[in-house]
Amino acid sequence: GAGVSQSPSNKVTEKGKDVELRCDPISGHTALYWYRQSLGQGLEFLIYFQGNSAPDKSGLPSDRFSAERTGGSVSTLTIQRTQQEDSAVYLCASSLVGTSANKRYEQYFGPGTRLTVT
Amino acid sequence: AQTVTQSQPEMSVQEAETVTLSCTYDTSESNYYLFWYKQPPSRQMILVIRQEAYKQQNATENRFSVNFQKAAKSFSLKISDSQLGDTAMYFCAFMKPYNNDMRFGAGTRLTVKP
Repeated sequence: GAGVSQSPSNKVTEKGKDVELRCDPISGHTALYWYRQSLGQGLEFLIYFQGNSAPDKSGLPSDRFSAERTGGSVSTLTIQRTQQEDSAVYLCASSLVGTSANKRYEQYFGPGTRLTVT
Repeated sequence: AQTVTQSQPEMSVQEAETVTLSCTYDTSESNYYLFWYKQPPSRQMILVIRQEAYKQQNATENRFSVNFQKAAKSFSLKISDSQLGDTAMYFCAFMKPYNNDMRFGAGTRLTVKP
């Protein structure tokens, strides 16, 4: 079936503008994650959605960053008043959710959105 | 907090040779999950292999195998018969039980040379 999709694949914006990044998870995956990957670096956790529970926002770097997930499926990551240090690849992932300690599922990643703030 | 350390920022290997990528982690949990992901230049993260800590047997997937040393909190990835298509960033990741978030190491850039 279809994998995780993200749009746009590339986004160039001027400093100070707002941007919205979209993620379409795999159908049936109730968990959705956003990560940021700066050039040549590892993955920085941003936010995690699980079903109808309150999202884990502990990784969001500032209040300029927000995310929502509508209808338990598509998610949008919004960055307000973008800064040059926001330039990075933003990766979305989804997974099934296990109900016991002996059942955990790997994350499936989208191709990412490369954001460039000029 | 769980941390994942990959001490080799870059490695290279000749085609058809074997290479081992290192990963250590820190946790107080007894049960958890470990993963290796590959990220080629296309940027798409691909799961290579997973290991469940309660299983003593090391996971294998074709040319990829792990050496899981629970007491040492070590989880290395061995790639046998390296191929040019194995050139990528490799990330080690940790997931603890009763929680679905995953923590990643900083990555190892592997180059396979012809």
